[in-house]
Amino acid sequence: DAGVTQSPTHLIKTRGQQVTLRCSPKSGHDTVSWYQQALGQGPQFIFQYYEEEERQRGNFPDRFSGHQFPNYSSELNVNALLLGDSALYLCASSRRVGVGTDTQYFGPGTRLTVL
Amino acid sequence: AQSVTQPDIHITVSEGASLELRCNYSYGATPYLFWYVQSPGQGLQLLLKYFSGDTLVQGIKGFEAEFKRSQSSFNLRKPSVHWSDAAEYFCAVASSGGSYIPTFGRGTSLIVHP
Repeated sequence: DAGVTQSPTHLIKTRGQQVTLRCSPKSGHDTVSWYQQALGQGPQFIFQYYEEEERQRGNFPDRFSGHQFPNYSSELNVNALLLGDSALYLCASSRRVGVGTDTQYFGPGTRLTVL
Repeated sequence: AQSVTQPDIHITVSEGASLELRCNYSYGATPYLFWYVQSPGQGLQLLLKYFSGDTLVQGIKGFEAEFKRSQSSFNLRKPSVHWSDAAEYFCAVASSGGSYIPTFGRGTSLIVHP
């Protein structure tokens, strides 16, 4: 059973560019959440997708956007990159349970460096 | 709003010694609580979780944690540490009443001496 997969593993961009990160959830999971983990910090919640719609959002600007596809995979897009966007971006998948979800399982992350 | 405090940024132990990592949370009702481990350059792996019931929770890799409501704590313990346990450990709290989005602490870095 494949777990959560993310691509690419590493990415280098320059300020002002745009980036797209990808995530495939664990088999049987229908909900995808994205987190940003700055160096030396815990993960911070960006947003969560379910049924192809953004359901919840953390305190991130609208330069951060996402998408979920019918097969439950997801993309995170960041526009107008800033140096401060350099971080490990983690995807987590889970199953919808009522108005919430079951335990989240994390992928290995994408390391984004903005120069 | 929920929050998590991990008061120790670094913990150093000798291999074979016991371990306790501290976690304090702030949440109005009974929370969902988690411990995750992150090895260098890796994602987060779930060690254990508490939703309800027995306050002593057993996890993978020989770890356990105890939920103490009176102290708002969920400390992680292991009786004998192995060198491979060296990693970053994150405590997280989620709302039991809805969104289920976990809020993470800043993490505790565990260093294991031979």
